[in-house]
Amino acid sequence: SQTIHQWPATLVQPVGSPLSLECTVEGTSNPNLYWYRQAAGRGLQLLFYSVGIGQISSEVPQNLSASRPQDRQFILSSKKLLLSDSGFYLCAWNGVGELFFGEGSRLTVL
Amino acid sequence: AQTVTQSQPEMSVQEAETVTLSCTYDTSENNYYLFWYKQPPSRQMILVIRQEAYKQQNATENRFSVNFQKAAKSFSLKISDSQLGDTAMYFCAFMTGANSKLTFGKGITLSVRP
Repeated sequence: SQTIHQWPATLVQPVGSPLSLECTVEGTSNPNLYWYRQAAGRGLQLLFYSVGIGQISSEVPQNLSASRPQDRQFILSSKKLLLSDSGFYLCAWNGVGELFFGEGSRLTVL
Repeated sequence: AQTVTQSQPEMSVQEAETVTLSCTYDTSENNYYLFWYKQPPSRQMILVIRQEAYKQQNATENRFSVNFQKAAKSFSLKISDSQLGDTAMYFCAFMTGANSKLTFGKGITLSVRP
């Protein structure tokens, strides 16, 4: 069966520090992969999606970047975090007409 | 561009009663999927129910059912016999087939009172 994992689950970082959130998918090949962000009390905003290795599409201008070094690995990064980067980050992959989500990563920037 | 609107930020229902959560969307596409996702306090996103736009019959999953009105672009979720475990945030979402991107509404916080 297919599973999706992301880590770390919780992260507290100072402003200006780097960020790396990792997501891996098991049990499927060549999935579409997505990073969403959920700010406090708000809905989910699509940040990036990828249809294959090295192929990244950005949905909104921001301080973050994404990379897909392997077929089932999707990484969200920042060189210098801002306070506004705080939120709950969700990785997802597409099944047949459905998205499956990871457990989420809560980022607090202080 | 597709948009999803959930105009009610919060709702409350008595245990065992029925509640309906509203959602409207806007799209020029003819083929698409609609979803309701549940996000409990654990923050895990859980699929509640899915509707394919080409199907006229409303989807049902046990106590959960939808009222899909394609012409009105409306997609409401009915929860029957509400249970305490239904307390969560509920998101309406829209997907087209092209690249499977989900567009979410802002969500509604549902509280089930004992």
